[in-house]
Amino acid sequence: GAVVSQHPSWVICKSGTSVKIECRSLDFQATTMFWYRQFPKQSLMLMATSNEGSKATYEQGVEKDKFLINHASLTLSTLTVTSAHPEDSSFYICSARHPAPDSSGNTIYFGEGSWLTVV
Amino acid sequence: AQRVTQPEKLLSVFKGAPVELKCNYSYSGSPELFWYVQYSRQRLQLLLRHISRESIKGFTADLNKGETSFHLKKPFAQEEDSAMYYCALSGQGAQKLVFGQGTRLTINP
Repeated sequence: GAVVSQHPSWVICKSGTSVKIECRSLDFQATTMFWYRQFPKQSLMLMATSNEGSKATYEQGVEKDKFLINHASLTLSTLTVTSAHPEDSSFYICSARHPAPDSSGNTIYFGEGSWLTVV
Repeated sequence: AQRVTQPEKLLSVFKGAPVELKCNYSYSGSPELFWYVQYSRQRLQLLLRHISRESIKGFTADLNKGETSFHLKKPFAQEEDSAMYYCALSGQGAQKLVFGQGTRLTINP
């Protein structure tokens, strides 16, 4: 089946620094990827839609200058948290849209998530 | 606006008992509804979608437009069903998914 991989799985960074999280579609090309944020024991909150070759579309309330998204190739989208602060600590999940549906019609595949802790 | 509500954060039933995870939605158009499952230490994966009308791992869900609900049901719960379950909605023609708060289902032996 289609595989989406995130790297790193977990990262600790100091306040004020920037940290980059990668989302890769390993065996398919994804023109669209999505970035979610999940606080402990809470739901996934869509942050932005990442479109290959164009600017990301951010959800209301998400600071685009804070959370930089780049989708430079059909298999890679990156989320950079700039000037990170402890309140940015969270679980970040990406998903990628496969160009062809599987036998059940599914086209969305999720990465394993990345834990960010800002100290 | 799109909104998905799962009223139960936690649900605990005994093995062999029926289970129902509730999901209500708010959307002005024709939505596409999904149930996703996340087993312990695994990534989120699609369980079923209302369009396919399939039964996956014994689970079924019927879209009730009158009640704006998409409850997930299984007649006889198994221990391996213990997981986090998320109801999600995608608007007509839209690509993004909006998730409910999730329900942690625990099946007791």
